[in-house]
Amino acid sequence: GAVVSQHPSRVICKSGTSVKIECRSLDFQATTMFWYRQFPKQSLMLMATSNEGSKATYEQGVEKDKFLINHASLTLSTLTVTSAHPEDSSFYICSASSLPEGDQYFGPGTRLLVL
Amino acid sequence: GQNIDQPTEMTATEGAIVQINCTYQTSGFNGLFWYQQHAGEAPTFLSYNVLDGLEEKGRFSSFLSRSKGYSYLLLKELQMKDSASYLCAVKDSNYQLIWGAGTKLIIKP
Repeated sequence: GAVVSQHPSRVICKSGTSVKIECRSLDFQATTMFWYRQFPKQSLMLMATSNEGSKATYEQGVEKDKFLINHASLTLSTLTVTSAHPEDSSFYICSASSLPEGDQYFGPGTRLLVL
Repeated sequence: GQNIDQPTEMTATEGAIVQINCTYQTSGFNGLFWYQQHAGEAPTFLSYNVLDGLEEKGRFSSFLSRSKGYSYLLLKELQMKDSASYLCAVKDSNYQLIWGAGTKLIIKP
């Protein structure tokens, strides 16, 4: 149980385009989903926390207009990187939890490369 | 501020034992997690400690001392597949996970 999927697993896009990453909880209802970014040889950095049906809470320094998060259902959250630039190239990982304070289950990650 | 410290890199020999330490200073404590992360993959859960003491799970054990703000992950009978990064994370008073930078473990034959 507690499986989380992400799609796509890997994406290459041109600078200036937008990329959407999906995070799905396959066998449980995720009240809360978390989006992380990880640069090479660094730890996970929390970008934002989203609760189903409400606006995401962004961490300090994360541009909410650039990283659009939608959590419209209990099984799906999306992260859209708008007007992507090469510095946005990173490993994006989502996690999901059935409770805001509950254990987080991680998706397999999405590797984004912006040319 | 909140801080989690763990060594950047460790090297050990196949078949041996290695201990990865983690010290933390957080606003509140609601449990400590250890995750394993292979290169290019997402973290996978290894252990969870909320009370003082040792939790054993097969070849892996995790220890916690809340009074010292200290934990360690003990890996026994090391295998080559154990080469990975090991992340220590603490849940603070807001139930937010605070992550350490990770310890890269290199296993040599």
